[in-house]
Amino acid sequence: DTAVSQTPKYLVTQMGNDKSIKCEQNLGHDTMYWYKQDSKKFLKIMFSYNNKELIINETVPNRFSPKSPDKAHLNLHINSLELGDSAVYFCASRLSLVSGANVLTFGAGSRLTVL
Amino acid sequence: SQQGEEDPQALSIQEGENATMNCSYKTSINNLQWYRQNSGRGLVHLILIRSNEREKHSGRLRVTLDTSKKSSSLLITASRAADTASYFCAYGRKLQFGAGTQVVVTP
Repeated sequence: DTAVSQTPKYLVTQMGNDKSIKCEQNLGHDTMYWYKQDSKKFLKIMFSYNNKELIINETVPNRFSPKSPDKAHLNLHINSLELGDSAVYFCASRLSLVSGANVLTFGAGSRLTVL
Repeated sequence: SQQGEEDPQALSIQEGENATMNCSYKTSINNLQWYRQNSGRGLVHLILIRSNEREKHSGRLRVTLDTSKKSSSLLITASRAADTASYFCAYGRKLQFGAGTQVVVTP
């Protein structure tokens, strides 16, 4: 009964390839996020969707394209992968954008290694 | 940059000792949260403190917030080996995270 599930957990690929990471939450939350955690454990927000609408886009290269087919799913597609894209990508969700409801539930992470 | 800072970056203590870590932030906030991340896992929410609160407790955790200094601290009392993890503060409309404090508790 995983609340926020990400697939795949590990992804190893060559530079220049295109790959996708999928995220699903069964919590009934309205808002979902993608975070990138680098090798120094620095956690940086990338995107956020609220009810399928993009609300945060943190100057991420346009090789990264998020897609939210419904409010329970937020996928991340990355084109033309570069070495610097190697990181752990975390999906998270929160109940809503209401100020008192912003505790995040995280997925287990997807470790992307670009060779 | 709106990025905050946490210190220390790393902390190594013996079981039974207290661990204190600090978070400074730059934006105005409605609340500030602390999360724990065990090695190879996702982050787990620990505690939330609202901007009108100065101190909050949850079990062995004590969080303080000083909005005039834009800083918060997390104290773990009577630490256990299972407390070994990285601890992050998060704040702001975009829920930005600090750089984290890596805590190692040795038996």
